[in-house]
Amino acid sequence: DAGITQSPRYKITETGRQVTLMCHQTWSHSYMFWYRQDLGHGLRLIYYSAAADITDKGEVPDGYVVSRSKTENFPLTLESATRSQTSVYFCASSEGGGIYNEQFFGPGTRLTVL
Amino acid sequence: GQSLEQPSEVTAVEGAIVQINCTYQTSGFYGLSWYQQHDGGAPTFLSYNALDGLEETGRFSSFLSRSDSYGYLLLQELQMKDSASYFCAVIANSGNTPLVFGKGTRLSVIA
Repeated sequence: DAGITQSPRYKITETGRQVTLMCHQTWSHSYMFWYRQDLGHGLRLIYYSAAADITDKGEVPDGYVVSRSKTENFPLTLESATRSQTSVYFCASSEGGGIYNEQFFGPGTRLTVL
Repeated sequence: GQSLEQPSEVTAVEGAIVQINCTYQTSGFYGLSWYQQHDGGAPTFLSYNALDGLEETGRFSSFLSRSDSYGYLLLQELQMKDSASYFCAVIANSGNTPLVFGKGTRLSVIA
């Protein structure tokens, strides 16, 4: 399917477990982003990537790890999940950086950490 | 750093016009974008302004005043389906740094 997909869509895990959220896009967009969305905080950037093998921290990177070995994939790993990481996670991609480049968002992953 | 301020909630009547304001403080400025998000859905792009003035796209318009560090989204002929959250976002510092989003304005359209 064309577009940007995320998996799983829903995930329940326990404190201390490692969790990986997957993101895949079919447009060959250079830029990919991970956001978390919590009530009262809007969308906060966790990590982003300008190209394969290039990643950079966003506003709230602590507790998260990313990699980008292929242009189309940008997985997000919670190395040791905590309850504060319960959130909705959105992956996004754009053709380039900058205000002119529309970001396309995936459907989101709702993560609950017990 | 960057900060954006927008009202948390707005209520308007079907068929009316509503304006959602956004003020920002940034170190450097490259433009202002707007995104819409329905409950349970993903954000979708509405518009961007890099220069002062009004940009119109159908029932939606977006305005920017760089001198006032201010912009707004104008929705005309409101429909029930316009009930959603609306986020302003800025790019600052340099042209290729990521967007910084405001906390969003929840618009409720009532009959």
